[in-house]
Amino acid sequence: GAVVSQHPSWVICKSGTSVKIECRSLDFQATTMFWYRQFPKQSLMLMATSNEGSKATYEQGVEKDKFLINHASLTLSTLTVTSAHPEDSSFYICSASTAGASTDTQYFGPGTRLTVL
Amino acid sequence: AQSVTQLDSQVPVFEEAPVELRCNYSSSVSVYLFWYVQYPNQGLQLLLKYLSGSTLVKGINGFEAEFNKSQTSFHLRKPSVHISDTAEYFCAVSATGGYNKLIFGAGTRLAVHP
Repeated sequence: GAVVSQHPSWVICKSGTSVKIECRSLDFQATTMFWYRQFPKQSLMLMATSNEGSKATYEQGVEKDKFLINHASLTLSTLTVTSAHPEDSSFYICSASTAGASTDTQYFGPGTRLTVL
Repeated sequence: AQSVTQLDSQVPVFEEAPVELRCNYSSSVSVYLFWYVQYPNQGLQLLLKYLSGSTLVKGINGFEAEFNKSQTSFHLRKPSVHISDTAEYFCAVSATGGYNKLIFGAGTRLAVHP
């Protein structure tokens, strides 16, 4: 149980285009989903937290107009990288949890590798 | 605010040897502590977590960790490693109040050699 999927697993796009990444909780309802960014050989940096049906909360320094997050249902959140540039190339990982309490475990997706040419 | 320091960026070890991956944290409030493992090009898998109670926590794959409040540490140990344990290991903390925002350490690359 508690499986989280991401699609696509990897994507290559041209500079200036937009890319959408999906994060799905397959066997549970995720009231909260998180989006992380991971540069090569570095740790995960939280980008934003989204709760179903409400606007995402972005971390300091993350451009909300560039990284659009939608959490339209209890099983799906999407991250859209708008007007992508080479510096946006990274490994994007989502996670999902069942409630807002700190004791709840985050279940991580397998990640999406984005390469912007 | 919380922060996590993983003292070793890389730990090489021979197969069947014991290993300890070190993690120290800083926080002005009570925290929960986690260890995650990441295999190449994959997401993170929870190894174990400390929420309360016994300070010695046992996790999957034979790993265990001990919470030491006075030393603000949460070191991960395994008595005998396998080649398949080669991966990146992340220590993380979250505050006990509010939603579960995780703060990760920089990671430790465990390389198990035959």
